[in-house]
Amino acid sequence: KQEVTQIPAALSVPEGENLVLNCSFTDSAIYNLQWFRQDPGKGLTSLLLIQSSQREQTSGRLNASLDKSSGRSTLYIAASQPGDSATYLCAADTDSWGKLQFGAGTQVVVTP
Amino acid sequence: SQTIHQWPATLVQPVGSPLSLECTVEGTSNPNLYWYRQAAGRGLQLLFYSVGIGQISSEVPQNLSASRPQDRQFILSSKKLLLSDSGFYLCAWRRNSPLHFGNGTRLTVT
Repeated sequence: KQEVTQIPAALSVPEGENLVLNCSFTDSAIYNLQWFRQDPGKGLTSLLLIQSSQREQTSGRLNASLDKSSGRSTLYIAASQPGDSATYLCAADTDSWGKLQFGAGTQVVVTP
Repeated sequence: SQTIHQWPATLVQPVGSPLSLECTVEGTSNPNLYWYRQAAGRGLQLLFYSVGIGQISSEVPQNLSASRPQDRQFILSSKKLLLSDSGFYLCAWRRNSPLHFGNGTRLTVT
């Protein structure tokens, strides 16, 4: 069974610093890896999806990498801003039915 | 563009009362639909998923059930709520795309 782990559980950085969020998964047979953002009391917003054949995906200040062989994905957020404060979750898609296995998330606080 | 609607946003229900949460998707057809639950301090747990009308798969045995009466409508129900049913319920859809979530329903069972 796929297990997804995110470490650390919480992270606090000053504004302007680059953020590095880690995600590891136990089964390398994935279709894709997705990153989401969740604001308090809200649903999840899709940030990036990396297909299993890709090594990375970029959107604005966000860059996500994928290393299937080592079972790891990393989300980089450049020049963090207070508005980046949220919980970030990764999820592995290892099922043809599109069911995702989620990590518990990393809660990020960016201080002004 | 596609949108997903989920309601109500918050709900407080006594133990033993019934439950009905509804989710609808607009702007696409034949989506895969999912119900997740997020308990306080825990990750997302997949409860049910559906790949078509009337097709429901349950991931976790529990006090809940789901139905899909129309292509873009997904309903989560319970006949008698338990305290342990409290949580944040999220509906989601996808069709050869990233998973898209609704805004969730905060359910408190008292």
